[in-house]
Amino acid sequence: KAGVTQTPRYLIKTRGQQVTLSCSPISGHRSVSWYQQTPGQGLQFLFEYFSETQRNKGNFPGRFSGRQFSNSRSEMNVSTLELGDSALYLCASYPGGGSTETQYFGPGTRLLVL
Amino acid sequence: SQKIEQNSEALNIQEGKTATLTCNYTNYSPAYLQWYRQDPGRGPVFLLLIRENEKEKRKERLKVTFDTTLKQSLFHITASQPADSATYLCALDSPYGNNRLAFGKGNQVVVIP
Repeated sequence: KAGVTQTPRYLIKTRGQQVTLSCSPISGHRSVSWYQQTPGQGLQFLFEYFSETQRNKGNFPGRFSGRQFSNSRSEMNVSTLELGDSALYLCASYPGGGSTETQYFGPGTRLLVL
Repeated sequence: SQKIEQNSEALNIQEGKTATLTCNYTNYSPAYLQWYRQDPGRGPVFLLLIRENEKEKRKERLKVTFDTTLKQSLFHITASQPADSATYLCALDSPYGNNRLAFGKGNQVVVIP
């Protein structure tokens, strides 16, 4: 099976702009989680989607939003970008049935905000 | 609030020796704990999961222990190889909801040939 894919891999934006990142999960996986990774804070949970519904949400401002489509592909959007949003954004997919399932991470999207 | 601590200093170890990493947590009793490996510029890769009622788990050259009294997990790489050089992250199920992992910041391992 193909792994989790994320596009784009790299992105440079300026403050105030908005950005949309995409994640295609492993075929058959219905859950997608998004994480932000920075050197200072490490990996932090953004949100989780299961069958097109947001099931969990982390402690991020409303500028961070996401959605999931019927084919389980997911997008996350960050509006009004700030310098502090520069990070590696990772998505992880898993079948979606239980809380102890292995999460399979994509390679991430490296976002740089200037 | 929940806190997960991993050593911020890189662990430099000679090839063939056993690398041991520590993950300490406070203010929470997780039902399970996971360990991931992350290489530079890549996403984390799942290695092992250990549940609260398990003391030890092994997979090839990897061994994980889970002490819920000490609130600590130890991660061992035996007969370490240069290819084991990476950052290793521990993750706990979060008290905030299902399928939500809380990660430590990771501990870098450098295996010296």
